[in-house]
Amino acid sequence: DTGVSQDPRHKITKRGQNVTFRCDPISEHNRLYWYRQTLGQGPEFLTYFQNEAQLEKSRLLSDRFSAERPKGSFSTLEIQRTEQGDSAMYLCASSRDGSDNEQFFGPGTRLTVL
Amino acid sequence: DQQVKQNSPSLSVQEGRISILNCDYTNSMFDYFLWYKKYPAEGPTFLISISSIKDKNEDGRFTVFLNKSAKHLSLHIVPSQPGDSAVYFCAASALRTDKLIFGTGTRLQVFP
Repeated sequence: DTGVSQDPRHKITKRGQNVTFRCDPISEHNRLYWYRQTLGQGPEFLTYFQNEAQLEKSRLLSDRFSAERPKGSFSTLEIQRTEQGDSAMYLCASSRDGSDNEQFFGPGTRLTVL
Repeated sequence: DQQVKQNSPSLSVQEGRISILNCDYTNSMFDYFLWYKKYPAEGPTFLISISSIKDKNEDGRFTVFLNKSAKHLSLHIVPSQPGDSAVYFCAASALRTDKLIFGTGTRLQVFP
């Protein structure tokens, strides 16, 4: 299977704990995106990488959130000092240059903060 | 502010009939529009897209229409099938940016 994969699929944590999610994009895709989706809403953009460079960050991405893509392949999204409001589905997507921005999404990581 | 709006949260259509899902946008800088389908517990799946230089794009049972003057697009599915039952998201991107701005989705139910 050569689609976008995300790990873990589900994460339950207590408020104040740190969590880290991983995304593996489609291998030939150089662009990688993180989105967050809450109930009844569409995905909301968080941040975007082209290769290893983080090119844009949403104002939704507070200083408790950090994302990396160290070698231009997989990416990690870390949330420090989690809050109940961080509970959401975190989606990763990838695309390639010249693809007319057709982004392919992974299955998501569902985060529940107790 | 919601730049991409899907005002119908749900739609119910009989199998074999046409499904029409609507989407409105406010940002005139948007130049590319996409439709995604989402099943429960899965990520969104790309369906069809359209550039702002076109007013129609067709792919099998799916056709997207774009009316730039009205800032409106629609997705037509014909004939509708029970497997089309899912949540459909409209998304848009602006010139020189790659992030997608999504609507809130329309839940389509196709019944026999």
